[in-house]
Amino acid sequence: EDQVTQSPEALRLQEGESSSLNCSYTVSGLRGLFWYRQDPGKGPEFLFTLYSAGEEKEKERLKATLTKKESFLHITAPKPEDSATYLCAVNSYQAGTALIFGKGTTLSVSS
Amino acid sequence: EAEVAQSPRYKITEKSQAVAFWCDPISGHATLYWYRQILGQGPELLVQFQDESVVDDSQLPKDRFSAERLKGVDSTLKIQPAELGDSAMYLCASRERGSLTDTQYFGPGTRLTVL
Repeated sequence: EDQVTQSPEALRLQEGESSSLNCSYTVSGLRGLFWYRQDPGKGPEFLFTLYSAGEEKEKERLKATLTKKESFLHITAPKPEDSATYLCAVNSYQAGTALIFGKGTTLSVSS
Repeated sequence: EAEVAQSPRYKITEKSQAVAFWCDPISGHATLYWYRQILGQGPELLVQFQDESVVDDSQLPKDRFSAERLKGVDSTLKIQPAELGDSAMYLCASRERGSLTDTQYFGPGTRLTVL
């Protein structure tokens, strides 16, 4: 059964304090791994798609990396506006394009 | 920038009543998904459409939930009768036809509260 586990569940950082969020996955034939940002009461906002181990993508203070078992979302010098829940999801060649999500990591950045 | 539209944004209903949610995907997106997100959890797929056809509704509670996309554009998700456990955020997402990236774009969601 395809599964996604995110850790930690919650993370509190001071502004400028860099850290990483983890996404471990078990999937039969990874098709893609996706990172989304979700603000309270809103729909998920697309951040990155990763397809193969060793791939990296960056956007402003965020950098996503992928290995054969997990993905990391690195946040460099975060600002309070980076506070949100970050969701990781996968899809597989067997199951098709529908996404399987983890429970998310809720990030709080204080000034 | 094109966006997925959903309405209503919020819905409060009493149990045993019927509710309906509407979604208009990004223009040209052939694949449409309905997900349900319980507070503190990640979204879970309810139903997937390719144009007007259902591709996957294995997780849709068919005794009370129905979904349609009659002309292959906008879609409606209905619950009848609503139960207390249906309180959640209902999210619609769409994906471009023939996309190489598989990226899904989500709407703002409909927050359902069943009393």
